[in-house]
Amino acid sequence: DGGITQSPKYLFRKEGQNVTLSCEQNLNHDAMYWYRQDPGQGLRLIYYSQIVNDFQKGDIAEGYSVSREKKESFPLTVTSAQKNPTAFYLCASSIVAGLQVVQYFGPGTRLTVL
Amino acid sequence: AQTVTQSQPEMSVQEAETVTLSCTYDTSENNYYLFWYKQPPSRQMILVIRQEAYKQQNATENRFSVNFQKAAKSFSLKISDSQLGDTAMYFCAFMKHRQGGKLIFGQGTELSVKP
Repeated sequence: DGGITQSPKYLFRKEGQNVTLSCEQNLNHDAMYWYRQDPGQGLRLIYYSQIVNDFQKGDIAEGYSVSREKKESFPLTVTSAQKNPTAFYLCASSIVAGLQVVQYFGPGTRLTVL
Repeated sequence: AQTVTQSQPEMSVQEAETVTLSCTYDTSENNYYLFWYKQPPSRQMILVIRQEAYKQQNATENRFSVNFQKAAKSFSLKISDSQLGDTAMYFCAFMKHRQGGKLIFGQGTELSVKP
C-alpha cells in the first residue's frame, strides 16, 4: 500500500536533547512538508522540500533542522534551541506538477519533552 | 501575508441534519486554492474537498459541498445528512498558486455529531 509513515507515534525526550522524527513516503511524490500542531491552533509549516537536496524554511523554522537526501525521506530534527518543542508533528507530501496541489498527510508523531 | 480565520471553535449537529462551517481568508492574490481538511480523533488529516479560485462553480464531494464567495473571501463547508463518523476537527486551508505547496491553516472548528 502506498502512503506516508511517521515513526514513532509517541516520543518522549528530556529537555536539552536533540530528537529526530522520521517521515517516509512511497507515493513517489516530489515535495514533502513538516507541520507543527498545537492545541487550539491550526497547523503551521516548519520546513518544506520540493526536490532532493533542497529545502526551504517555513513560518516557524527556528530550532528545527531537516535533510532531504532521498526522495522518499524527509527527517525532522528538533534541536535543543527549540523553546517549546512539545507538540504534534505532521509530515505531508505532494506531487509538484500543474494543478496537482493536494497534500497527503502521515499519521503524526506526538513529541513530549520532559 | 495570507490569513485564514475560522470563527466557530465548536459546533454540534444532530445526526442526519445539515451543518455549515464558516471560513474567511485574507489575500491580495487572484489565483489560489482552498481546502477543507478533516481531523478525526485518530488525528489523521484527511482531505474533504478543494476549490480552485478561478472556478466559479462550487465544489461538491458526495455529502460535502462548499459555498465559495470570492469577492467576500468566504469559503464555507456544508455537510448534509450528518453522520456520527463526521465528528472531527475541520480545518480550512489556503494555498497560493505556484508557491511550492505552502498551506496556511485556520484554527479549526470542532464538530460533534450527536445521535
